[in-house]
Amino acid sequence: GESVGLHLPTLSVQEGDNSIINCAYSNSASDYFIWYKQESGKGPQFIIDIRSNMDKRQGQRVTVLLNKTVKHLSLQIAATQPGDSAVYFCAEHGSSNTGKLIFGQGTTLQVKP
Amino acid sequence: DTGVSQNPRHKITKRGQNVTFRCDPISEHNRLYWYRQTLGQGPEFLTYFQNEAQLEKSRLLSDRFSAERPKGSFSTLEIQRTEQGDSAMYLCASSLKPWSSYEQYFGPGTRLTVT
Repeated sequence: GESVGLHLPTLSVQEGDNSIINCAYSNSASDYFIWYKQESGKGPQFIIDIRSNMDKRQGQRVTVLLNKTVKHLSLQIAATQPGDSAVYFCAEHGSSNTGKLIFGQGTTLQVKP
Repeated sequence: DTGVSQNPRHKITKRGQNVTFRCDPISEHNRLYWYRQTLGQGPEFLTYFQNEAQLEKSRLLSDRFSAERPKGSFSTLEIQRTEQGDSAMYLCASSLKPWSSYEQYFGPGTRLTVT
């Protein structure tokens, strides 16, 4: 079936360290990927996206890496801050014929002061 | 705040009752999506509209669920004869018909509890 999975349900890091959150996807035809951050009681918030014709994209303190060979996506957060504590989801857009995003189960990032 | 609003934020209902949720998207967005999210899981797609046309529906959208977007602006999601398994967060998102990005902007959600 359709699925976008994450490797670890929880990641705990020290404030100031770098965080890496991983995601494995199953649909090799997916053309676009997004990372969302969700804080308790709120809807998902866009962090960064990447198209399938790219392998790396950088934002402010965040970098997304895409490895299509092994169908793997990662989110790197530099100098992790307490405000980064949240659940992180990767999502894939299957093709131009659909509007939906397919989400993985999420990784909870806990930042220790 | 993304600009997508949902009402109510919380709804508690008894099994068998009907409920209706409303979503107001970002005003210039022509696409509107509904997702359902249960505790510890990622959002699951239910349906989406482009303007007033409902273009895609998930298998999750049983015949007890109906969504409308009559004037291509706000949307409603109705659940008839609610069941305890319907308890979840119902998320609405909106976007522009994509040219370079498929980013969807999510609202805060409506949390439904069926007792």
